[in-house]
Amino acid sequence: DQQVKQNSPSLSVQEGRISILNCDYTNSMFDYFLWYKKYPAEGPTFLISISSIKDKNEDGRFTVFLNKSAKHLSLHIVPSQPGDSAVYFCAASLSGNTGKLIFGQGTTLQVKP
Amino acid sequence: EAQVTQNPRYLITVTGKKLTVTCSQNMNHEYMSWYRQDPGLGLRQIYYSMNVEVTDKGDVPEGYKVSRKEKRNFPLILESPSPNQTSLYFCASRLRDRVDYGYTFGSGTRLTVV
Repeated sequence: DQQVKQNSPSLSVQEGRISILNCDYTNSMFDYFLWYKKYPAEGPTFLISISSIKDKNEDGRFTVFLNKSAKHLSLHIVPSQPGDSAVYFCAASLSGNTGKLIFGQGTTLQVKP
Repeated sequence: EAQVTQNPRYLITVTGKKLTVTCSQNMNHEYMSWYRQDPGLGLRQIYYSMNVEVTDKGDVPEGYKVSRKEKRNFPLILESPSPNQTSLYFCASRLRDRVDYGYTFGSGTRLTVV
């Protein structure tokens, strides 16, 4: 039972355009949602997060939107740069600060120069 | 440098031969966790620990053991490895009160069981 889903395995965009990565979840008990970025041969690195009580969080070129009624979140990267090419993972934290963090399958983003 | 260190980076072993993957963090983090990454499945949590001597199962704990005797160390033990445990493993840690920053991950251990 996949509680966090990223239905697009890959995405290709042109440099300078917007990249939109999507994530769906099923469990209403998630209180934080996070995005991670992963380059080959490295561990995932934290990018940005959003609390379940907010609908938007912005950090530089990265913005995360949360739609609780649809159980959907998205990561917007504007403008996209070739160095953004990586695998992006969506993750969700169960409320109660248990340490449990559930990841989606990942989306590979390619930004073409 | 603040980091999570895993060893070894690469390991090839035979079915049934017990092995331990070590993990250490120097950030005084209370929470630690192990994940495995497999194609098409993303990252799946194996075990996590909220403090010394406090551990709990993640989504795929079968065939694995962990221990947390010291705050900085969280080894992953495979008592009798099988080929379906061939995977890329990540150790991670975080501060108890910073769920919004998520886990800091190590560089990974690629395990092959033949």
